[in-house]
Amino acid sequence: GNSVTQMEGPVTLSEEAFLTINCTYTATGYPSLFWYVQYPGEGLQLLLKATKADDKGSNKGFEATYRKETTSFHLEKGSVQVSDSAVYFCALRRGGGSNYKLTFGKGTLLTVNP
Amino acid sequence: EAQVTQNPRYLITVTGKKLTVTCSQNMNHEYMSWYRQDPGLGLRQIYYSMNVEVTDKGDVPEGYKVSRKEKRNFPLILESPSPNQTSLYFCASKGDRGGEKLFFGSGTQLSVL
Repeated sequence: GNSVTQMEGPVTLSEEAFLTINCTYTATGYPSLFWYVQYPGEGLQLLLKATKADDKGSNKGFEATYRKETTSFHLEKGSVQVSDSAVYFCALRRGGGSNYKLTFGKGTLLTVNP
Repeated sequence: EAQVTQNPRYLITVTGKKLTVTCSQNMNHEYMSWYRQDPGLGLRQIYYSMNVEVTDKGDVPEGYKVSRKEKRNFPLILESPSPNQTSLYFCASKGDRGGEKLFFGSGTQLSVL
């Protein structure tokens, strides 16, 4: 079946540090890939997405590239801010079917200190 | 403002006492879904609905019921809650024209004693 594996947290960085959160997936076919972010006390929000191989999703300084050869979708940001502190979820959706179900990773807690 | 609204935000109950968590969206979305979030497990889908009167099971439906009598509402019903249903619950919706974006509510933290 489909699965998503992302790096264990928590991750603690200083402001302006470089961020990488690794994500790899297992799926048949050509899934769409997503990063969702959950700020404290809130629901999940879509951060970025990529729907086919070699696509790069980007938003708010975050980037991730859909790598089919390595089945990966690593999240990166060049300079994190305190306001980026949140839980980050990698997710996939396998195309087709009527159920728009996302398969999520376990989440990575990021804390950015001033 | 486009939003998914869940109530209540926090709920403490006892084993066996029926409860309902409400979910409402104001975006005229056809698709709605419930997830539960547990530490170390990420989010898992409980039930989903493609439209009014069309519902189906997700990955972890045991112990839950849903209904979709109106397009905007998708309540989650626990007929006889048990402690293993203590979790953080999220409702989500998606429209046909929204691309691949799910809109999530703010969550309901349920504790079953």
